[in-house]
Amino acid sequence: EDQVTQSPEALRLQEGESSSLNCSYTVSGLRGLFWYRQDPGKGPEFLFTLYSAGEEKEKERLKATLTKKESFLHITAPKPEDSATYLCAVTPNTGNQFYFGTGTSLTVIP
Amino acid sequence: EAGVAQSPRYKIIEKRQSVAFWCNPISGHATLYWYQQILGQGPKLLIQFQNNGVVDDSQLPKDRFSAERLKGVDSTLKIQPAKLEDSAVYLCASRSQGVWAEKLFFGSGTQLSVL
Repeated sequence: EDQVTQSPEALRLQEGESSSLNCSYTVSGLRGLFWYRQDPGKGPEFLFTLYSAGEEKEKERLKATLTKKESFLHITAPKPEDSATYLCAVTPNTGNQFYFGTGTSLTVIP
Repeated sequence: EAGVAQSPRYKIIEKRQSVAFWCNPISGHATLYWYQQILGQGPKLLIQFQNNGVVDDSQLPKDRFSAERLKGVDSTLKIQPAKLEDSAVYLCASRSQGVWAEKLFFGSGTQLSVL
């Protein structure tokens, strides 16, 4: 069964304190892994797509990496405006399904 | 490019009442998804359409939920009768087709409170 697990559930960081969020997945052939950011009261907003192990993508203070079993979202020197819930999702080779994890709620304290 | 439009933004109903949500996807997007997101959880797929055909509705509680996508464009999701546990945000998303995996574009969602 295709499954996505994210950890930790919640993370509090001081401004400037770097950390990483984890997304572990089990899927019958990975077509793509996606990271989304969700602010309160809004729909998820796309951040990155990763397709194969070893791939990395960067955007401002965020960097996403992918292995055969998991993905990490590294946050370098975070700012309060990075506070949000970060969602991971996978889509398998077998179809157009899109499976989400439960998310990591990030709070960055000034 | 216009995004995914959803309405209403908020809805409050009493249990056993009915409610409907509307979604207009990005123009040209063939695949449309309805997700249910309970507070503190990730989005859970309810139903997936490819054009106007259902691809996956395995997690849709069919005794009370129904959905349609007319002419492969707009979609409506209905709940009848609503239960307390249906309180959630209902997200609509659309996706274009391509050789490689394409990302989902989400609407802002409809926040449903069942009292």
